[in-house]
Amino acid sequence: DGGITQSPKYLFRKEGQNVTLSCEQNLNHDAMYWYRQDPGQGLRLIYYSQIVNDFQKGDIAEGYSVSREKKESFPLTVTSAQKNPTAFYLCASSVAGTQITGELFFGEGSRLTVL
Amino acid sequence: GESVGLHLPTLSVQEGDNSIINCAYSNSASDYFIWYKQESGKGPQFIIDIRSNMDKRQGQRVTVLLNKTVKHLSLQIAATQPGDSAVYFCAENIRGSARQLTFGSGTQLTVLP
Repeated sequence: DGGITQSPKYLFRKEGQNVTLSCEQNLNHDAMYWYRQDPGQGLRLIYYSQIVNDFQKGDIAEGYSVSREKKESFPLTVTSAQKNPTAFYLCASSVAGTQITGELFFGEGSRLTVL
Repeated sequence: GESVGLHLPTLSVQEGDNSIINCAYSNSASDYFIWYKQESGKGPQFIIDIRSNMDKRQGQRVTVLLNKTVKHLSLQIAATQPGDSAVYFCAENIRGSARQLTFGSGTQLTVLP
């Protein structure tokens, strides 16, 4: 079945370490997104990519980096510069481009805890 | 900046009753709205969407109403079941925006036995 796979589901890291969260989709979607969710809050956009080898910053990009070398993959690196990285991270994809609205398909999320 | 917001952070209903979850938006350029359901520790799941040229759209046990005059969106769930307990988010898209959806903070729906 088609879908979005995020890994790992749970991740612990020490302060000062970089970690990379994986996101893979087999839906043949052009656009992919990373959101951060804190307890009791909505989703905040970190980065998004509309096409391979291109991506844009969202509302809270500081301390994060991404790459989009393949259509199906959009990994997120949480760097040591991110001061409060403990959160639930959600990856999403869509068929939509700039002129087409459409549904986002979400992965099951990755919960990062900084020790 | 403008954002989507919700009137109530929590809602408790008796099993079998109807639920109404409200959402306000402030950007008149928004032309597409979605409701998502998120169970604890999982990713959001699509429930229903509506475009700005419509006032009402029905799905299975769910209805979304859009009032563009007062910039208000609601989700109605008929005969609420225990499996409906979750956080519900509304989200908006602004015409021409590549960012896709802007999400509200969510409403926690609890179904009481």
